[in-house]
Amino acid sequence: GAVVSQHPSWVICKSGTSVKIECRSLDFQATTMFWYRQFPKQSLMLMATSNEGSKATYEQGVEKDKFLINHASLTLSTLTVTSAHPEDSSFYICSVSPPGEEWNEQFFGPGTRLTVL
Amino acid sequence: SQQGEEDPQALSIQEGENATMNCSYKTSINNLQWYRQNSGRGLVHLILIRSNEREKHSGRLRVTLDTSKKSSSLLITASRAADTASYFCATVDNYGQNFVFGPGTRLSVLP
Repeated sequence: GAVVSQHPSWVICKSGTSVKIECRSLDFQATTMFWYRQFPKQSLMLMATSNEGSKATYEQGVEKDKFLINHASLTLSTLTVTSAHPEDSSFYICSVSPPGEEWNEQFFGPGTRLTVL
Repeated sequence: SQQGEEDPQALSIQEGENATMNCSYKTSINNLQWYRQNSGRGLVHLILIRSNEREKHSGRLRVTLDTSKKSSSLLITASRAADTASYFCATVDNYGQNFVFGPGTRLSVLP
């Protein structure tokens, strides 16, 4: 399957700081990338759809000013958790699909564990 | 609304036994996919079954889809300790607008 990388894999930060998470599609150019959040022992919840060259589409209940998404190139999307608080501690996972197949198989990154103290 | 409700939520079996997980959903779908997630890791795509398909096989995996009952099952035959993971179904609706994961089944295969 396609390779998707995320960086960092684990980050611990103090409350109030901002954290940037990178998602890279290494095997193909992705006009669309997806960001998910997963709490322990729970399923994945789609946060937003990242569109290259345009604004991200956020799911209902996700604060766009809190979770800033930048999809500046066809292989890189970043998620910035601004002014992080302990309740933002979670596992953040991105995924990509080959162009034109956004709703078929998705390839997931390894995830980033965020711990906010 | 929640799509893709898996059951059981947790399943513990002995190595060599078969494991069956079920997924139910509510709306019409374009396809249904099964993914595996090892603890603290990303998801790995296992198999995709389209709404006009009833059964698919991939190695030790067998997936069925019953659109009349809005349900799917994932069967893992001759399970191995390495199959221990969480398994999620995900549905894609007919408009390709929503990709929704179910709550998952945590499978433990005991050696």
